[in-house]
Amino acid sequence: GAVVSQHPSWVICKSGTSVKIECRSLDFQATTMFWYRQFPKQSLMLMATSNEGSKATYEQGVEKDKFLINHASLTLSTLTVTSAHPEDSSFYICSARGGAGGRSYVTQETQYFGPGTRLLVL
Amino acid sequence: GQSLEQPSEVTAVEGAIVQINCTYQTSGFNGLFWYQQHAGEAPTFLSYNVLDGLEEKGRFSSFLSRSKGYSYLLLKELQMKDSASYLCAAMDSSYKLIFGSGTRLLVRP
Repeated sequence: GAVVSQHPSWVICKSGTSVKIECRSLDFQATTMFWYRQFPKQSLMLMATSNEGSKATYEQGVEKDKFLINHASLTLSTLTVTSAHPEDSSFYICSARGGAGGRSYVTQETQYFGPGTRLLVL
Repeated sequence: GQSLEQPSEVTAVEGAIVQINCTYQTSGFNGLFWYQQHAGEAPTFLSYNVLDGLEEKGRFSSFLSRSKGYSYLLLKELQMKDSASYLCAAMDSSYKLIFGSGTRLLVRP
């Protein structure tokens, strides 16, 4: 299956600092990447959809000025949590979708997830 | 609104068969996905259904009925390592995934 990496896997930071998380598709070009947040024992909540070369589309209730998303290339998207606060502590997961040009319809439409980044804001 | 419902927890015995159900309601529909998620890890892709019927892949099978807004994941010959959360997710008309709350499967010896 397709491989998506995420870095870092763990972040502990002080309140008020900014944290950048990288998401890379390693063996395919991802026209679209997604950023999710997952709190303990809850399901994944979509934060934003990121398309290469254009502005991200944020879900209702997600502050775009706080969660900055950049999708500079077909293999890299970054999420920056600005001025992090303890309530931002969560498990952040990215996913990548291949789109057209994949080997099969399943590969094109399937979202492949990165390993996640656990953020703890003190 | 958009929603997916699945049971919160299921328990089964090693070697047995278990079925995890999922009902969905979305704005448009472009397929139903099942993911497995172990504690503290990201989800891994299990299956994708866009047409009615049963898709079999080894010990795992997934079924879809579009008219009923219903899917299930069938796990055969359960192993201890199958203990995990199983997430169903529907892809809506804008190709976004809407996730259910997940079903925790506990496999007992």
